Amino acid sequence: EVVLTQSPATLSLSPGERATLSCRASQSVSSDLAWYQQKPGQAPRLLIYDASDRATGVPARFSGGGSGTDFTLIISSLEPEDFAVYYCQQRSSPLTFGGGTKIEIK
Amino acid sequence: QGQLVESGGGVVQPGGSLRLSCSGSGFTFSAYGMHWVRQAPGKGLEWLSFMRYDSSARYYADSVKGRFSISRDNSKNTVYLQMNSLRVEDTAVYYCAKDLRGYNYDCHYMEDWGKGTTVTVSS
Repeated sequence: EVVLTQSPATLSLSPGERATLSCRASQSVSSDLAWYQQKPGQAPRLLIYDASDRATGVPARFSGGGSGTDFTLIISSLEPEDFAVYYCQQRSSPLTFGGGTKIEIK
Repeated sequence: QGQLVESGGGVVQPGGSLRLSCSGSGFTFSAYGMHWVRQAPGKGLEWLSFMRYDSSARYYADSVKGRFSISRDNSKNTVYLQMNSLRVEDTAVYYCAKDLRGYNYDCHYMEDWGKGTTVTVSS
């Protein structure tokens, strides 16, 4: 099973700032990684798949990168609606999620 | 964008059973693989199971293998999760989700999600 480790656990930032989230895999997953956003009381939302492809309707301020074992999600300039929890997920069975990074308002 | 609605959650005693349902609309349900994912209170996401569009393959997380069973009825646009031998640690919100790509292009990314149904296992 591939273990995904996300860091940091919490990121305290202000609107307009840049957010950089990390996801590290215990073994190579090539580019087979997705990122999801989850707001309180809501289901997750797919943001990025195949490490760097934006899902339908996702704003351009969200970008993903990396391959192998190290991945990043960058939000170039935080909007108020971006404060949420973000999860990475790899797609080899058994599928696994990272533990999440919460972006909170500073 | 597809719509998914889960049902069947509730309170059950340890050792009991429940069957969750997930009804899909707004897309060709029979063309897409479907997932079940859960989230324990205050915790992260845990993938549970996947079934291919034509029921030709299904996969499970080790934590539920042998206790949970996924199935689908494409004539009813519905996927099911039969949960047996429930444990306190199975308490969670259970989501169904649609795979991003259809037919033989399973990619195991989850594009559309339902709002979830809550399962509480308690004596």
